[in-house]
Amino acid sequence: AQRVTQPEKLLSVFKGAPVELKCNYSYSGSPELFWYVQYSRQRLQLLLRHISRESIKGFTADLNKGETSFHLKKPFAQEEDSAMYYCAPPDNYGQNFVFGPGTRLSVLP
Amino acid sequence: ETGVTQTPRHLVMGMTNKKSLKCEQHLGHNAMYWYKQSAKKPLELMFVYSLEERVENNSVPSRFSPECPNSSHLFLHLHTLQPEDSALYLCASSRDSASNQPQHFGDGTRLSIL
Repeated sequence: AQRVTQPEKLLSVFKGAPVELKCNYSYSGSPELFWYVQYSRQRLQLLLRHISRESIKGFTADLNKGETSFHLKKPFAQEEDSAMYYCAPPDNYGQNFVFGPGTRLSVLP
Repeated sequence: ETGVTQTPRHLVMGMTNKKSLKCEQHLGHNAMYWYKQSAKKPLELMFVYSLEERVENNSVPSRFSPECPNSSHLFLHLHTLQPEDSALYLCASSRDSASNQPQHFGDGTRLSIL
């Protein structure tokens, strides 16, 4: 089965510091990967997707097929970035998503 | 109202009760999903419907019974649940069920089994 790892359950950084949320997956195809975010008291929502290569709220994610990683990065964290972040690659059949366990990002003032 | 709407927001039921969760989407999507979100566990996909046909059932116990009468509505019928079924149940929709389509989520129904 597809294995998705987000090694940090909790990541705390100070405002203005760079942040990197790690995601590794096992699916060996040519995946479309997503990052979802859940802010406090809000619903789970799409943050960004690999195929569009957009930068949303200053976040970017680069797909590294060799390392099967899709780490989420932001050069300067803001307090409003505090949230749960979920990496979502496709399953082994490329039909549905598998959500990672999530990383809670806490940006300290 | 646009987006994905779930009702009720909270539900408390005994193990012998029968209840249903409802999900409605106003996005014109053709695929709908049920997920279970438990504390300390990753989000788990339960069911996938595409054009009102169930395309995936991830080994979910039969005490959970989905129904998709049309592409805008999805139900999850609950019967004889167990305490371990207490969780947040999320509904999502997407344009179609291909894995390259982003999903739009509802707020969820917080279910507590007594």
